Amino acid sequence: EADIYQTPRYLVIGTGKKITLECSQTMGHDKMYWYQQDPGMELHLIHYSYGVNSTEKGDLSSESTVSRIRTEHFPLTLESARPSHTSQYLCASQSNSPLHFGNGTRLTVT
Amino acid sequence: GENVEQHPSTLSVQEGDSAVIKCTYSDSASNYFPWYKQELGKRPQLIIDIRSNVGEKKDQRIAVTLNKTAKHFSLHITETQPEDSAVYFCAASTRAGSYQLTFGKGTKLSVIP
Repeated sequence: EADIYQTPRYLVIGTGKKITLECSQTMGHDKMYWYQQDPGMELHLIHYSYGVNSTEKGDLSSESTVSRIRTEHFPLTLESARPSHTSQYLCASQSNSPLHFGNGTRLTVT
Repeated sequence: GENVEQHPSTLSVQEGDSAVIKCTYSDSASNYFPWYKQELGKRPQLIIDIRSNVGEKKDQRIAVTLNKTAKHFSLHITETQPEDSAVYFCAASTRAGSYQLTFGKGTKLSVIP
């Protein structure tokens, strides 16, 4: 089934660890996005990509980085996690169409 | 850039009553206005959208109206049911011809049985 998949669903890690949140979509969409959201709260755009080898920072300053080597894959990396990074991270994709969201990764940094 | 204001931040209604959520946007060039529903613990999902060449759109109990002159749009839910309880986000396209979105801060709707 064509969808957008995020792994892991939940992640608890210690301060200072490097982590990568995975996002893959099987819908052939060219545009992909990462949002940070505290549960039920405002959606903050942190990164986006309009195609392979294209990445831009969003409205919210983030210490994370992203890459877009393949159309379907848009991973987000935190080089050194901190408690302030505790949040939910939502990946989304679109073509010339409405935005489709993944189920999110809920990250807790202890 | 685009700025989207959403009101109210919380809304409680009795089951069967109507609910209205309002949004204003700043960029007159924005031309695409979707609404997303996010249930507790789930992903945001598109429920209805409208483009700037249309003033109103309806889908069963849900309707959206757009006033381009005043730069505001509203979500109307009639005959509310407990399963309508969720956080609703409005959004506006960041620039004309673009689908990149600027979101409002969300409205938590509670439907009381």
